[in-house]
Amino acid sequence: AQSVTQPDIHITVSEGASLELRCNYSYGATPYLFWYVQSPGQGLQLLLKYFSGDTLVQGIKGFEAEFKRSQSSFNLRKPSVHWSDAAEYFCAVGRTDQTGANNLFFGTGTRLTVIP
Amino acid sequence: DAMVIQNPRYQVTQFGKPVTLSCSQTLNHNVMYWYQQKSSQAPKLLFHYYDKDFNNEADTPDNFQSRRPNTSFCFLDIRSPGLGDAAMYLCATSRVAGGRNEQFFGPGTRLTVL
Repeated sequence: AQSVTQPDIHITVSEGASLELRCNYSYGATPYLFWYVQSPGQGLQLLLKYFSGDTLVQGIKGFEAEFKRSQSSFNLRKPSVHWSDAAEYFCAVGRTDQTGANNLFFGTGTRLTVIP
Repeated sequence: DAMVIQNPRYQVTQFGKPVTLSCSQTLNHNVMYWYQQKSSQAPKLLFHYYDKDFNNEADTPDNFQSRRPNTSFCFLDIRSPGLGDAAMYLCATSRVAGGRNEQFFGPGTRLTVL
């Protein structure tokens, strides 16, 4: 069965500091991995995704993530955080069902607070 | 702009009174999903439609039903809402392409049950 673990419930960083959000997954096959961001009261916006190929993927808003199969991890990073990055971040693994639809299983999220 | 639209954004209903949430999309995607997200929790998949085919998750309560009258619209019906059904309900779509398909989310409908 697939599962996603985000060990950090809440992280606080100073504006301009670097950021790394951790994500570990469990999946029996080649994983499709995603990071989404959710601002309060809003839907989910895709930051980046990994399907195959280069294990370092670039996303929107200056985010990147690195897939490490040996560690079953897909950590999200940003070199310099902006106040507007404060939000909830969800890591997800995609499971392809018999119809070809890609069903997402989310971690419990990491809430990011940015302080001046 | 192509998008996923959910109406209403906020819905208040009474305990046991049926309620319907609406989702529409202009992306012409084959697949539409409904997720339930309770406060401070991860979104949880309830079910999805692949074209007209309905696919229910094993642990979705019978109280939750869905309809997809055409490609653009999908509805979530809660037959007898309980206090535990208060949550954000997220609609998403994807275009099937060999399984490597990302999901596009609407802004969600926040349901309050009194």
